[in-house]
Amino acid sequence: QVQLVESGGGVVQPGRSLRLSCAASGFTFSLYSMHWVRQAPGKGLEWVAIISYDGSSKYYGDSVKGRFTVSRDNSKNTLYLQMNSLRAEDTAVYYCARPEGANRGYYYPHFDYWGQGTLVTVSS
Amino acid sequence: EIVMTQSPATLSVSPGERATFSCRASQSVSSNLAWYQQKPGQAPRLLIYGASTRATGIPARFSGSGSGTEFTLTISSLQSEDFGVYYCQQYNSWPPITFGQGTRLEIK
Repeated sequence: QVQLVESGGGVVQPGRSLRLSCAASGFTFSLYSMHWVRQAPGKGLEWVAIISYDGSSKYYGDSVKGRFTVSRDNSKNTLYLQMNSLRAEDTAVYYCARPEGANRGYYYPHFDYWGQGTLVTVSS
Repeated sequence: EIVMTQSPATLSVSPGERATFSCRASQSVSSNLAWYQQKPGQAPRLLIYGASTRATGIPARFSGSGSGTEFTLTISSLQSEDFGVYYCQQYNSWPPITFGQGTRLEIK
């Protein structure tokens, strides 16, 4: 069965860095683009980033562009999110999410599998 | 950026009754619209994609309709386990992928 397990969250001071990981299993990870979506406490869902199946294409939401970097290691079935220059407004649960469909899912991304999320708290 | 607007903010419905959620896009998204249900402490769950196609394992009481800029999610006969927050998401024009702000469903 498909599983996505995030890790790496925690409490970090403003301006510092953190790297999140998402370990994937139960499907051919290297065929799928992957996404990060976040949710601030008590708030709605915000899309963060996408990486294509081979890592050649990456896109970001405006609020994280230039500070966050998405990457993947297909040999380890793992997705990453490097978060630099963290701000209080980056405090959120971060989910990795898989789009439905390998090829079509890149162009029409809606998410049939989500991880359980990892909480990032940016506070001094 | 396409802005997704959901209404109402909160819906209170009795078991067995119909619940109707609305989602409006700031410009056409064709039928590239998904609906999710999220319960407290859980990740979102895909209900509907392509505006009207139920995801795997979703009960038939959930249905979606609409195209262009106006969309509706309907729960035909509300069950107690249907509480939660419901989000719409457009994937027609990205980046960015955008979500509505959510509608909270309360069971009367």
